[in-house]
Amino acid sequence: AQTVTQSQPEMSVQEAETVTLSCTYDTSESNYYLFWYKQPPSRQMILVIRQEAYKQQNATENRFSVNFQKAAKSFSLKISDSQLGDTAMYFCAFMKPPRKLTFGTGTRLTIIP
Amino acid sequence: EAGVAQSPRYKIIEKRQSVAFWCNPISGHATLYWYQQILGQGPKLLIQFQNNGVVDDSQLPKDRFSAERLKGVDSTLKIQPAKLEDSAVYLCASSLGLAGRKYEQYFGPGTRLTVT
Repeated sequence: AQTVTQSQPEMSVQEAETVTLSCTYDTSESNYYLFWYKQPPSRQMILVIRQEAYKQQNATENRFSVNFQKAAKSFSLKISDSQLGDTAMYFCAFMKPPRKLTFGTGTRLTIIP
Repeated sequence: EAGVAQSPRYKIIEKRQSVAFWCNPISGHATLYWYQQILGQGPKLLIQFQNNGVVDDSQLPKDRFSAERLKGVDSTLKIQPAKLEDSAVYLCASSLGLAGRKYEQYFGPGTRLTVT
């Protein structure tokens, strides 16, 4: 069974700064997908970024980028130029299609004005 | 494009009562998921449907939880009888399918259940 670990329960950063959220996972699979989801206080879960394990290039989506280290089973999320709207719970998730998403316990990120 | 719809948004019941949640996925999405999210934890899959068939219900407490997806569209999740530990947010998600990029899941706003 796969496990996903997020070791930072809470983080806070000043607006416009850069923050990195950590995620490690454990799997014996070779082909899989990794995701970062954002869950604002309104509770609608939103996909932030995805990474296919077979791709060596790190995924980027505007201010969001990942550092994917397959051998180390590490998948961190970097948020550049942080904004107040980035305040949310962030979940790292693993999936081996067609199986379920396995989520970490989340990191509560607060952007300070 | 309309997102995943869920109702009700909030529900408070007493233990041993029954409750039902409804989910309408994004139009054309064949796969539907129900997750349970206990406060302070990540979502945990309860059941996964492909059209109107069950793909995975290994973590569904079948003695009290049931779910159905008639006609492969809307879905209902029921709890009977409810226990205090069922207090959680119940999230519904849908995806186009299971292969390729079709696996990407879109989530509804959730139903917050409080059992007293």
